[in-house]
Amino acid sequence: DTGVSQNPRHKITKRGQNVTFRCDPISEHNRLYWYRQTLGQGPEFLTYFQNEAQLEKSRLLSDRFSAERPKGSFSTLEIQRTEQGDSAMYLCASSSGRGAAFFGQGTRLTVV
Amino acid sequence: SQQGEEDPQALSIQEGENATMNCSYKTSINNLQWYRQNSGRGLVHLILIRSNEREKHSGRLRVTLDTSKKSSSLLITASRAADTASYFCATEAQGGSEKLVFGKGTKLTVNP
Repeated sequence: DTGVSQNPRHKITKRGQNVTFRCDPISEHNRLYWYRQTLGQGPEFLTYFQNEAQLEKSRLLSDRFSAERPKGSFSTLEIQRTEQGDSAMYLCASSSGRGAAFFGQGTRLTVV
Repeated sequence: SQQGEEDPQALSIQEGENATMNCSYKTSINNLQWYRQNSGRGLVHLILIRSNEREKHSGRLRVTLDTSKKSSSLLITASRAADTASYFCATEAQGGSEKLVFGKGTKLTVNP
């Protein structure tokens, strides 16, 4: 499968715990995006990378959130001290340039 | 913040009928894209229309773009039960940012 892969698919965590999600983009894509989606809403932009450089971050990305793409390949999104409001679907997408983005299946986070 | 606004929020039709969804946006754009999302899954890119294009076709899909009105429409002809999904428009704004800004989506139900 050469699509965008996200792990885990589901994560249940207790409030206050840290969680980390991984995204493996399509191998030839140099751009990687993270979005968050809550029920009944469209995806909201969090951050994006071109190769290993993080070029833009949303104001939604509080200091509890950090994203990395260390070698310009896979990316991780970490949420520290999770809150119930962090419960959402976290979507990763990749692209080779401006234009169509290819999304993974998402990681559904539930904070209890 | 979400730039696009889809209309209607929900649409229910019979198999074989056409479905039309509309999208309005606020700023000048490089391109506008339509995505489809089945319940609880990732998004699938359907079609991209650039700001200098007015109409585009792909199979049973027809997209129009009116930049003077900052609006777009997606027409699905001869709908099938398998077209049941949420449909989102997303815009890439002019001026450097490569992020996509999504609307809240139209939930389409095609009844067999």
